[in-house]
Amino acid sequence: DQQVKQNSPSLSVQEGRISILNCDYTNSMFDYFLWYKKYPAEGPTFLISISSIKDKNEDGRFTVFLNKSAKHLSLHIVPSQPGDSAVYFCAAKASAGNMLTFGGGTRLMVKP
Amino acid sequence: SQTIHQWPATLVQPVGSPLSLECTVEGTSNPNLYWYRQAAGRGLQLLFYSVGIGQISSEVPQNLSASRPQDRQFILSSKKLLLSDSGFYLCARSSGGWDTQYFGPGTRLTVL
Repeated sequence: DQQVKQNSPSLSVQEGRISILNCDYTNSMFDYFLWYKKYPAEGPTFLISISSIKDKNEDGRFTVFLNKSAKHLSLHIVPSQPGDSAVYFCAAKASAGNMLTFGGGTRLMVKP
Repeated sequence: SQTIHQWPATLVQPVGSPLSLECTVEGTSNPNLYWYRQAAGRGLQLLFYSVGIGQISSEVPQNLSASRPQDRQFILSSKKLLLSDSGFYLCARSSGGWDTQYFGPGTRLTVL
């Protein structure tokens, strides 16, 4: 049973436009959420996080939105750049634990 | 700065051979350490985590094992590799609680 799902395996966006990556979760105990970016043959790089006490967190071109009632979060990248092309993973954890549960990832392709 | 080293970067092993992957962390004391595997086209699967020397928790049954002989060293082992053990193995660290997990560069394992 996947507790964190990224239903879009891939997404293609034109450079300069907005990229929206989505993530759904089922475990109501999750209260901290993260997004990671991964290039091939490299470890994931932490991008941005949000705790359940907030519904939005912004860092430069990256904004994460959290809708607790829908158990849904999204990552917005504006404007998208070709260097953003990578696989993006969302992850979730419960404050009582040490473990992250990852989604399956979404491959973002930003076209010049 | 806090750095994670993984060795080796790539490895090709025959079925039935033993395995030893090493992860070392610099710049932090008493980190939580994690081993993940990313199979081809799949998300990140947590294999083991450790909150201290000699303390190992296993998340999935398998023919792999982990050990933490020193505070900043985490080792992933197998006595006999299976074809299904092929994948990209990632070590990660955190300081526990709300702290974000940071990943090493990974080891690409191919079992033939």
